Amino acid sequence: ETGVTQTPRHLVMGMTNKKSLKCEQHLGHNAMYWYKQSAKKPLELMFVYNFKEQTENNSVPSRFSPECPNSSHLFLHLHTLQPEDSALYLCASSQDMGGSGYEQYFGPGTRLTVT
Amino acid sequence: QKEVEQNSGPLSVPEGAIASLNCTYSDRVSQSFFWYRQYSGKSPELIMSIYSNGDKEDGRFTAQLNKASQYVSLLIRDSQPSDSATYLCAVNRRDTGNQFYFGTGTSLTVIP
Repeated sequence: ETGVTQTPRHLVMGMTNKKSLKCEQHLGHNAMYWYKQSAKKPLELMFVYNFKEQTENNSVPSRFSPECPNSSHLFLHLHTLQPEDSALYLCASSQDMGGSGYEQYFGPGTRLTVT
Repeated sequence: QKEVEQNSGPLSVPEGAIASLNCTYSDRVSQSFFWYRQYSGKSPELIMSIYSNGDKEDGRFTAQLNKASQYVSLLIRDSQPSDSATYLCAVNRRDTGNQFYFGTGTSLTVIP
């Protein structure tokens, strides 16, 4: 247990559905991240939030929409996804100290299948 | 060129041996380096972080960093079957914001 929780753990959705992934961290960190992990590929950083402000958006399609209402909660809203979006979606958090060292702690992930 | 490169393996070592995992990175401005362990079907678990040249030891794990050669490694002493997992190398660059770059991972199997 890393102190980062994610729900749901598994999600199957059709291409016309709308769903949301939720992440919550109990570590007192000020930065949160969404990653996508597909088979045979490196972890892909999708979004970064520092102090609730989005600081990175790595050319992610608009069918993925993040929301960070406070430093402890992060959402990923999904709509009109494609089958190639099926993957493990990981949330992580870290303490941004403005200098060096950003040890990230991951949640258990949401296994998403788009049918 | 990939930001972070790892030998995908699989790497097999007998129980009790030393497992050596290697990682190279492309950009000299990388500042922070991490090793994660990921069991099949699970999320990555942080096992080591290293920020300066040299060795850092934590129990059976030793991380080694050589910034001049852009090389970071992880040694696992007295390997156990429970160490069988995929090991991910990650680097953080401050010049591109709070960006983390991960390798594809090395699959390690410890044979009893």
